[in-house]
Amino acid sequence: DAGITQSPRHKVTETGTPVTLRCHQTENHRYMYWYRQDPGHGLRLIHYSYGVKDTDKGEVSDGYSVSRSKTEDFLLTLESATSSQTSVYFCAISAGQGVYGYTFGSGTRLTVV
Amino acid sequence: GESVGLHLPTLSVQEGDNSIINCAYSNSASDYFIWYKQESGKGPQFIIDIRSNMDKRQGQRVTVLLNKTVKHLSLQIAATQPGDSAVYFCAENIQGAQKLVFGQGTRLTINP
Repeated sequence: DAGITQSPRHKVTETGTPVTLRCHQTENHRYMYWYRQDPGHGLRLIHYSYGVKDTDKGEVSDGYSVSRSKTEDFLLTLESATSSQTSVYFCAISAGQGVYGYTFGSGTRLTVV
Repeated sequence: GESVGLHLPTLSVQEGDNSIINCAYSNSASDYFIWYKQESGKGPQFIIDIRSNMDKRQGQRVTVLLNKTVKHLSLQIAATQPGDSAVYFCAENIQGAQKLVFGQGTRLTINP
């Protein structure tokens, strides 16, 4: 998707290992979000950021941490991956709340074995 | 749980027919609504949005209707094409919140 890239696109990792997913934007948008998508659950918010170093928890934040040291990058870290964290992870960006929608990245498919 | 939901999880229509996808929301403070389309293996894509001071908005082959009285949102797709096959999500912005609330999604399949 234009202006937002996620890396890696696919990853297989072992239980107990740390994993970091990266979201990079070139739109200079203030808001960035991490979602996970699982069958039967739709999109669930993990964490979001409303500015550099400003982050907050979403509805499924346990086991995840985030960092945003600069406007363009929002990192999602699984400190010790578990099989329940096998999912597709989407990053989204927004210029403002209640004014604009979100632009989503293409997703990262993470498998924890 | 989420305040945005869907009446039907799946919808199957004939190619060329019109499609109507429904969404119910429960938060009267929601002031902005969006429909997204997600094709297999891709991220959700913005289709159309509508603000709470409107009851209808049209785009190219798509129309969104908002009925605030019954807290109902619908997406109408005219002359449905095979490329319209996807999962469609509605999302609402609750005034003052910093995040959208997404529905579960409706899978639209097109019969030839």
